[in-house]
Amino acid sequence: GAVVSQHPSWVICKSGTSVKIECRSLDFQATTMFWYRQFPKQSLMLMATSNEGSKATYEQGVEKDKFLINHASLTLSTLTVTSAHPEDSSFYICSAKPWTAGYNNEQFFGPGTRLTVL
Amino acid sequence: AQKITQTQPGMFVQEKEAVTLDCTYDTSDPSYGLFWYKQPSSGEMIFLIYQGSYDQQNATEGRYSLNFQKARKSANLVISASQLGDSAMYFCAMREWNYGQNFVFGPGTRLSVLP
Repeated sequence: GAVVSQHPSWVICKSGTSVKIECRSLDFQATTMFWYRQFPKQSLMLMATSNEGSKATYEQGVEKDKFLINHASLTLSTLTVTSAHPEDSSFYICSAKPWTAGYNNEQFFGPGTRLTVL
Repeated sequence: AQKITQTQPGMFVQEKEAVTLDCTYDTSDPSYGLFWYKQPSSGEMIFLIYQGSYDQQNATEGRYSLNFQKARKSANLVISASQLGDSAMYFCAMREWNYGQNFVFGPGTRLSVLP
């Protein structure tokens, strides 16, 4: 089955520092990767959509200069939270859409990264 | 306007009984897909079942079935013979094929299975 990994699975950082989260599709090529944020007891909110080799498309209200997304290859996308603050503490989940999408055009989700900013 | 509505923030079910989790959606796109995901406390999103807007039959996957009522725009998840391991958050999601193709998630329902 299609596997998506995220690294790190959890990270604690000081306020003002930057944190990079990696999302990798392990056994398939992903033309599109999605980044979501989930606050406690809430649903997933799409932050941005990234296509390999092009600029990410950010959802309304998401600061592109704060959440830098790079999709440099068909198997790797990174999300960098720049100058993180406590309000950025959240669960960040990526998903990847295969190059050869199946019947239901399914996305495959990574296990998530829990970010805590002190 | 909210595109996916899950009216049950929390549900309880006795082990081995069936439970229905509600989901209603709103779209003007004739081509769309409906998904259900399970999110246990560990956080990973586990795909359960899919229903396409043009599918004639209700989708089934093992103990999961989707009660798709297109005219009412509802896509309820039915879990038969509940197990303790079914305790988790359940999210209904929709993708509109012609309108951006992004996933939109509902607010979720927390299911607790009682022994």
